[in-house]
Amino acid sequence: KAGVTQTPRYLIKTRGQQVTLSCSPISGHRSVSWYQQTPGQGLQFLFEYFSETQRNKGNFPGRFSGRQFSNSRSEMNVSTLELGDSALYLCASSFVPDSYEQYFGPGTRLTVT
Amino acid sequence: KNQVEQSPQSLIILEGKNCTLQCNYTVSPFSNLRWYKQDTGRGPVSLTIMTFSENTKSNGRYTATLDADTKQSSLHITASQLSDSASYICLNDMRFGAGTRLTVKP
Repeated sequence: KAGVTQTPRYLIKTRGQQVTLSCSPISGHRSVSWYQQTPGQGLQFLFEYFSETQRNKGNFPGRFSGRQFSNSRSEMNVSTLELGDSALYLCASSFVPDSYEQYFGPGTRLTVT
Repeated sequence: KNQVEQSPQSLIILEGKNCTLQCNYTVSPFSNLRWYKQDTGRGPVSLTIMTFSENTKSNGRYTATLDADTKQSSLHITASQLSDSASYICLNDMRFGAGTRLTVKP
């Protein structure tokens, strides 16, 4: 069974631009969560979606947004990029929220110059 | 504001030994508390998830305990292996701890 896939794997953007990252969950999984990981801040929770509805949102500015489609695929968008947005963006999927069986994708490495 | 504090920051043990990692949190009650293992350069792997009403949960050589009164969770690793070398991170109420970096030496 295919794992969680994230595209693109690497991305370089310039300050002020916007970016859209994609996450395809494991087949049958309806819950998708997004996380940001940086050396300085560690892991931080961004959003959680279940059945196209945002269940939870972390403490990030409104420039960070996301959505989930009817096929459970999810996208996150960051507008007006800042240098501090450079990070590894991870998504994870599970059948339902709060499930022990949560699987992470390989992440998208975003570099903002 | 939810704070999640983990200790120790780093730990070195010999292969075969046991160890216990700590996670203190401030938000209670909460929906669940998770422990993850993250190898360098890899995404996190879910080890356990505990609800507020649970005291202990095991996953192979990993056992997580939860004390809701003291707002503490522990992750106990028994008979450590070299492959246990990783960062162990707890998550409570959407906030991650900084992790404990465990190194297992032969």
